[in-house]
Amino acid sequence: NAGVMQNPRHLVRRRGQEARLRCSPMKGHSHVYWYRQLPEEGLKFMVYLQKENIIDESGMPKERFSAEFPKEGPSILRIQQVVRGDSAAYFCASSSRQGLQYEQYFGPGTRLTVT
Amino acid sequence: DQQVKQNSPSLSVQEGRISILNCDYTNSMFDYFLWYKKYPAEGPTFLISISSIKDKNEDGRFTVFLNKSAKHLSLHIVPSQPGDSAVYFCAADNTDKLIFGTGTRLQVFP
Repeated sequence: NAGVMQNPRHLVRRRGQEARLRCSPMKGHSHVYWYRQLPEEGLKFMVYLQKENIIDESGMPKERFSAEFPKEGPSILRIQQVVRGDSAAYFCASSSRQGLQYEQYFGPGTRLTVT
Repeated sequence: DQQVKQNSPSLSVQEGRISILNCDYTNSMFDYFLWYKKYPAEGPTFLISISSIKDKNEDGRFTVFLNKSAKHLSLHIVPSQPGDSAVYFCAADNTDKLIFGTGTRLQVFP
């Protein structure tokens, strides 16, 4: 009965390095969403993906950030050349989108610290 | 532009009493709302939702009320328990994404 899984749970990167965050959706879910939470703020939508397709990336910064959800394997959020402002908690959610209204179920998050 | 607002950053309630958490939104096109509960260092956990065709939805100790004309919803927890102490987020479904409020930290004391 695995829920949404994310790894790593904690990630430390130096400025200029790359960060790769992974997300495996709940069994039976084919829709994945990424959110970012800065300290003392709510979660902000970044991107919505289905298998091999980016559906909505309106919340993604224009540079350095990319996301994919391949046919096989987890969804990946990639941040190139990280800066201190990228330090945040990154949450992945998944849904089945059965019907018109549906819940998104969240993973435990990856806490990225940029030093 | 904060489309979903939770104006009370914190709330303290005695065990056994009612907790009322409030949320306001600005976009009348939102038609589905969700409440999530979040403990430190964990992901948000879905609690309860409500469609805009309803004005109330109940699940055990949790009830969500929706007032469309006022663009306001509230989450009632009764009776409150110490384990309810967490941050509660209101969210609106905006097509493919959730728009979250900034959260209300609820503390339930004995």
